[in-house]
Amino acid sequence: AQSVSQHNHHVILSEAASLELGCNYSYGGTVNLFWYVQYPGQHLQLLLKYFSGDPLVKGIKGFEAEFIKSKFSFNLRKPSVQWSDTAEYFCAVGGYSTLTFGKGTMLLVSP
Amino acid sequence: EAGVAQSPRYKIIEKRQSVAFWCNPISGHATLYWYQQILGQGPKLLIQFQNNGVVDDSQLPKDRFSAERLKGVDSTLKIQPAKLEDSAVYLCASSLLLAGSPNNEQFFGPGTRLTVL
Repeated sequence: AQSVSQHNHHVILSEAASLELGCNYSYGGTVNLFWYVQYPGQHLQLLLKYFSGDPLVKGIKGFEAEFIKSKFSFNLRKPSVQWSDTAEYFCAVGGYSTLTFGKGTMLLVSP
Repeated sequence: EAGVAQSPRYKIIEKRQSVAFWCNPISGHATLYWYQQILGQGPKLLIQFQNNGVVDDSQLPKDRFSAERLKGVDSTLKIQPAKLEDSAVYLCASSLLLAGSPNNEQFFGPGTRLTVL
């Protein structure tokens, strides 16, 4: 069975700080990896995705993630966060159809 | 392009009552998903449709939950009777590709927040 573990439930940063959110997964097949973001009062939006190819993927709003197969990890990074990045971030893993989500990391960026 | 539509956005009911949620996926999307997101957790898949057929309903509590997608477009999720632990956000998502296709990306609706008293 597939599973996803997000390391931190809550993260608090100041603006301009660097961000790294951890995500480890367990999956026994060809893996697709996703990061979704949910801004306050809004619905889940895709931030970035990995299907195959270059393990360093770039998403919207300056986010990137690196797929490290040997570590079963797909950590999300951003060099300099902004107040508007305050949101909940979900890592998800799936095969070609079903997705399994992590419990989410709530990021609060203070101005 | 219009996104996934859901209604109602909020619903408050008492335990043992019935409730129904509606979802209209993105036009042309073959696959539709219903997720349950309990506070503090990530979304959990309840049921997945491909056109009007069920692909996966292994995590759907079938004694009280039911869902249909009769014409292969919009879908309804019903809970009857509701329990306190059903309080959650119910998310609908859709994807263009058929279940089992590579590079299958899901698009989510705004969700329906259900409170069971």
